[in-house]
Amino acid sequence: GENVEQHPSTLSVQEGDSAVIKCTYSDSASNYFPWYKQELGKGPQLIIDIRSNVGEKKDQRIAVTLNKTAKHFSLHITETQPEDSAVYFCAAIRGSNYQLIWGAGTKLIIKP
Amino acid sequence: DGGITQSPKYLFRKEGQNVTLSCEQNLNHDAMYWYRQDPGQGLRLIYYSQIVNDFQKGDIAEGYSVSREKKESFPLTVTSAQKNPTAFYLCASSRDRSQETQYFGPGTRLLVL
Repeated sequence: GENVEQHPSTLSVQEGDSAVIKCTYSDSASNYFPWYKQELGKGPQLIIDIRSNVGEKKDQRIAVTLNKTAKHFSLHITETQPEDSAVYFCAAIRGSNYQLIWGAGTKLIIKP
Repeated sequence: DGGITQSPKYLFRKEGQNVTLSCEQNLNHDAMYWYRQDPGQGLRLIYYSQIVNDFQKGDIAEGYSVSREKKESFPLTVTSAQKNPTAFYLCASSRDRSQETQYFGPGTRLLVL
Protein backbone atom coordinates (compact mmCIF):
# COMPACT_ATOMS: atom_id res chain seq x y z
CA GLY A 1 0.00 0.00 0.00
CA GLU A 2 0.91 3.66 -0.10
CA ASN A 3 3.35 5.05 2.44
CA VAL A 4 4.16 8.73 2.92
CA GLU A 5 7.32 9.88 4.70
CA GLN A 6 7.72 13.48 5.79
CA HIS A 7 10.92 15.33 6.73
CA PRO A 8 12.01 17.04 8.86
CA SER A 9 9.88 16.39 11.94
CA THR A 10 10.83 19.81 13.31
CA LEU A 11 12.06 22.86 11.39
CA SER A 12 13.18 26.10 12.95
CA VAL A 13 13.81 29.12 10.71
CA GLN A 14 14.44 32.80 11.23
CA GLU A 15 11.53 35.09 10.47
CA GLY A 16 11.80 36.25 6.88
CA ASP A 17 13.73 33.19 5.73
CA SER A 18 12.33 30.36 3.62
CA ALA A 19 11.17 26.97 4.85
CA VAL A 20 11.03 23.73 2.87
CA ILE A 21 9.29 20.52 3.93
CA LYS A 22 9.66 17.36 1.87
CA CYS A 23 7.51 14.27 1.50
CA THR A 24 8.14 11.06 -0.37
CA TYR A 25 5.52 8.56 -1.42
CA SER A 26 5.77 4.95 -2.49
CA ASP A 27 2.88 4.34 -4.88
CA SER A 28 3.43 5.66 -8.39
CA ALA A 29 -0.35 5.56 -8.92
CA SER A 30 -0.88 8.38 -6.42
CA ASN A 31 -2.26 11.42 -8.21
CA TYR A 32 -3.26 14.05 -5.66
CA PHE A 33 -1.05 15.64 -3.00
CA PRO A 34 -2.51 18.10 -0.48
CA TRP A 35 -0.76 20.05 2.28
CA TYR A 36 -2.55 20.90 5.52
CA LYS A 37 -1.66 23.34 8.28
CA GLN A 38 -2.66 22.60 11.87
CA GLU A 39 -2.49 25.33 14.49
CA LEU A 40 -2.34 24.40 18.15
CA GLY A 41 -5.58 22.89 19.43
CA LYS A 42 -7.33 23.12 16.07
CA GLY A 43 -8.15 20.86 13.15
CA PRO A 44 -5.95 20.82 10.04
CA GLN A 45 -6.78 23.17 7.20
CA LEU A 46 -5.92 22.71 3.53
CA ILE A 47 -3.41 25.33 2.37
CA ILE A 48 -2.39 24.09 -1.06
CA ASP A 49 -2.61 20.99 -3.21
CA ILE A 50 -1.19 19.66 -6.45
CA ARG A 51 -2.20 17.01 -8.95
CA SER A 52 0.10 14.60 -10.73
CA ASN A 53 -0.25 16.37 -14.10
CA VAL A 54 1.32 19.56 -12.71
CA GLY A 55 4.92 20.12 -11.60
CA GLU A 56 4.49 23.26 -9.50
CA LYS A 57 1.75 25.39 -7.99
CA LYS A 58 2.04 28.72 -6.19
CA ASP A 59 -0.27 30.71 -3.96
CA GLN A 60 1.29 33.92 -2.69
CA ARG A 61 4.06 32.92 -0.25
CA ILE A 62 3.51 29.19 -0.48
CA ALA A 63 4.32 26.80 -3.31
CA VAL A 64 4.32 23.07 -3.84
CA THR A 65 6.55 21.18 -6.25
CA LEU A 66 6.10 17.62 -7.44
CA ASN A 67 8.72 15.28 -8.88
CA LYS A 68 6.87 12.22 -10.14
CA THR A 69 10.01 10.43 -11.23
CA ALA A 70 11.57 10.64 -7.78
CA LYS A 71 8.15 10.33 -6.10
CA HIS A 72 8.52 13.30 -3.84
CA PHE A 73 6.77 16.61 -3.33
CA SER A 74 7.75 19.63 -1.29
CA LEU A 75 6.14 22.61 0.42
CA HIS A 76 7.97 25.92 0.12
CA ILE A 77 7.14 28.91 2.32
CA THR A 78 8.94 32.16 1.54
CA GLU A 79 9.29 35.26 3.71
CA THR A 80 8.15 33.34 6.78
CA GLN A 81 6.10 35.15 9.38
CA PRO A 82 5.23 34.31 13.02
CA GLU A 83 1.76 33.14 11.98
CA ASP A 84 3.35 30.44 9.85
CA SER A 85 4.30 28.61 13.07
CA ALA A 86 2.21 25.42 13.06
CA VAL A 87 2.35 21.73 12.23
CA TYR A 88 2.24 20.96 8.52
CA PHE A 89 1.02 17.64 7.11
CA CYS A 90 1.43 16.26 3.63
CA ALA A 91 -0.77 13.54 2.20
CA ALA A 92 -1.15 11.46 -0.93
CA ILE A 93 -4.22 9.93 -2.50
CA ARG A 94 -4.54 7.13 -4.96
CA GLY A 95 -7.07 7.45 -7.73
CA SER A 96 -8.20 3.85 -7.49
CA ASN A 97 -9.34 3.57 -3.87
CA TYR A 98 -9.32 7.22 -2.83
CA GLN A 99 -7.48 6.42 0.39
CA LEU A 100 -5.77 9.52 1.80
CA ILE A 101 -2.44 8.60 3.38
CA TRP A 102 -0.90 11.15 5.76
CA GLY A 103 2.67 12.05 6.58
CA ALA A 104 3.70 12.27 10.25
CA GLY A 105 3.83 16.08 10.27
CA THR A 106 6.46 18.81 10.54
CA LYS A 107 6.47 21.30 13.38
CA LEU A 108 7.55 24.64 11.90
CA ILE A 109 8.93 27.18 14.35
CA ILE A 110 9.50 30.75 13.21
CA LYS A 111 12.10 32.52 15.34
CA PRO A 112 11.71 36.28 15.76
CA ASP B 1 -21.75 29.78 8.38
CA GLY B 2 -20.98 26.42 6.85
CA GLY B 3 -18.64 24.06 8.59
CA ILE B 4 -18.06 21.14 10.88
CA THR B 5 -18.76 21.21 14.58
CA GLN B 6 -17.49 18.76 17.17
CA SER B 7 -18.58 18.46 20.75
CA PRO B 8 -17.58 18.43 23.43
CA LYS B 9 -14.19 20.18 23.25
CA TYR B 10 -12.95 18.09 26.19
CA LEU B 11 -14.30 14.74 27.34
CA PHE B 12 -13.39 12.65 30.33
CA ARG B 13 -13.90 8.90 30.40
CA LYS B 14 -13.93 6.62 33.38
CA GLU B 15 -12.65 3.07 33.24
CA GLY B 16 -15.11 0.72 31.55
CA GLN B 17 -17.27 3.55 30.24
CA ASN B 18 -18.43 4.14 26.69
CA VAL B 19 -18.39 7.74 25.49
CA THR B 20 -19.75 9.30 22.32
CA LEU B 21 -18.17 12.16 20.39
CA SER B 22 -20.43 14.29 18.26
CA CYS B 23 -19.69 15.49 14.72
CA GLU B 24 -22.10 17.56 12.65
CA GLN B 25 -21.61 19.19 9.23
CA ASN B 26 -23.82 21.57 7.25
CA LEU B 27 -21.69 21.48 4.10
CA ASN B 28 -23.96 18.92 2.41
CA HIS B 29 -20.96 16.63 2.08
CA ASP B 30 -21.48 12.97 1.32
CA ALA B 31 -18.33 11.64 2.99
CA MET B 32 -17.27 11.92 6.63
CA TYR B 33 -14.23 10.66 8.54
CA TRP B 34 -12.91 10.14 12.05
CA TYR B 35 -9.20 10.44 12.80
CA ARG B 36 -7.19 9.93 15.93
CA GLN B 37 -4.15 12.10 16.61
CA ASP B 38 -1.62 11.28 19.33
CA PRO B 39 0.94 13.84 20.53
CA GLY B 40 3.62 14.52 17.94
CA GLN B 41 2.11 12.10 15.49
CA GLY B 42 0.12 12.19 12.30
CA LEU B 43 -3.51 11.38 11.66
CA ARG B 44 -4.74 7.81 11.77
CA LEU B 45 -8.06 6.90 10.21
CA ILE B 46 -10.58 5.22 12.52
CA TYR B 47 -13.73 5.00 10.40
CA TYR B 48 -15.15 6.67 7.34
CA SER B 49 -18.52 6.90 5.66
CA GLN B 50 -19.06 7.67 2.01
CA ILE B 51 -22.85 7.74 2.14
CA VAL B 52 -25.69 7.61 4.63
CA ASN B 53 -26.21 4.21 6.30
CA ASP B 54 -22.82 2.97 5.17
CA PHE B 55 -19.39 3.13 6.82
CA GLN B 56 -16.03 1.41 6.55
CA LYS B 57 -13.27 0.57 9.01
CA GLY B 58 -10.08 2.55 8.80
CA ASP B 59 -6.64 1.54 10.03
CA ILE B 60 -7.42 1.56 13.77
CA ALA B 61 -11.13 0.72 14.14
CA GLU B 62 -10.80 -1.69 17.06
CA GLY B 63 -12.50 -0.35 20.18
CA TYR B 64 -14.54 2.22 18.26
CA SER B 65 -17.98 2.26 16.65
CA VAL B 66 -19.85 4.71 14.43
CA SER B 67 -23.23 5.30 12.86
CA ARG B 68 -24.37 7.36 9.89
CA GLU B 69 -28.15 7.66 10.12
CA LYS B 70 -28.22 11.21 8.78
CA LYS B 71 -26.08 12.87 6.14
CA GLU B 72 -25.01 15.67 8.46
CA SER B 73 -24.11 13.56 11.49
CA PHE B 74 -21.37 10.99 12.13
CA PRO B 75 -20.99 10.24 15.87
CA LEU B 76 -18.07 8.18 17.16
CA THR B 77 -18.38 5.95 20.23
CA VAL B 78 -15.22 5.06 22.11
CA THR B 79 -16.02 1.78 23.81
CA SER B 80 -14.52 0.21 26.91
CA ALA B 81 -12.65 -2.14 24.58
CA GLN B 82 -10.39 0.75 23.55
CA LYS B 83 -7.68 0.42 26.19
CA ASN B 84 -5.74 3.56 25.35
CA PRO B 85 -8.33 6.17 24.33
CA THR B 86 -6.49 9.30 25.42
CA ALA B 87 -5.99 11.30 22.21
CA PHE B 88 -7.21 14.21 20.10
CA TYR B 89 -10.10 13.13 17.87
CA LEU B 90 -10.75 14.90 14.60
CA CYS B 91 -13.81 14.65 12.41
CA ALA B 92 -13.67 15.65 8.75
CA SER B 93 -15.89 15.69 5.70
CA SER B 94 -15.41 15.87 1.96
CA ARG B 95 -17.78 16.58 -0.87
CA ASP B 96 -17.71 13.02 -2.15
CA ARG B 97 -15.91 9.72 -1.90
CA SER B 98 -12.85 11.03 -3.74
CA GLN B 99 -11.63 12.36 -0.36
CA GLU B 100 -10.02 15.36 -2.01
CA THR B 101 -10.12 18.45 0.18
CA GLN B 102 -11.18 17.29 3.58
CA TYR B 103 -12.62 19.90 5.93
CA PHE B 104 -11.88 19.36 9.60
CA GLY B 105 -13.72 20.18 12.77
CA PRO B 106 -11.99 21.74 15.82
CA GLY B 107 -11.45 18.38 17.50
CA THR B 108 -12.34 16.72 20.81
CA ARG B 109 -9.68 15.93 23.38
CA LEU B 110 -10.50 12.72 25.26
CA LEU B 111 -8.89 12.08 28.61
CA VAL B 112 -9.17 9.05 30.87
CA LEU B 113 -9.80 9.57 34.58
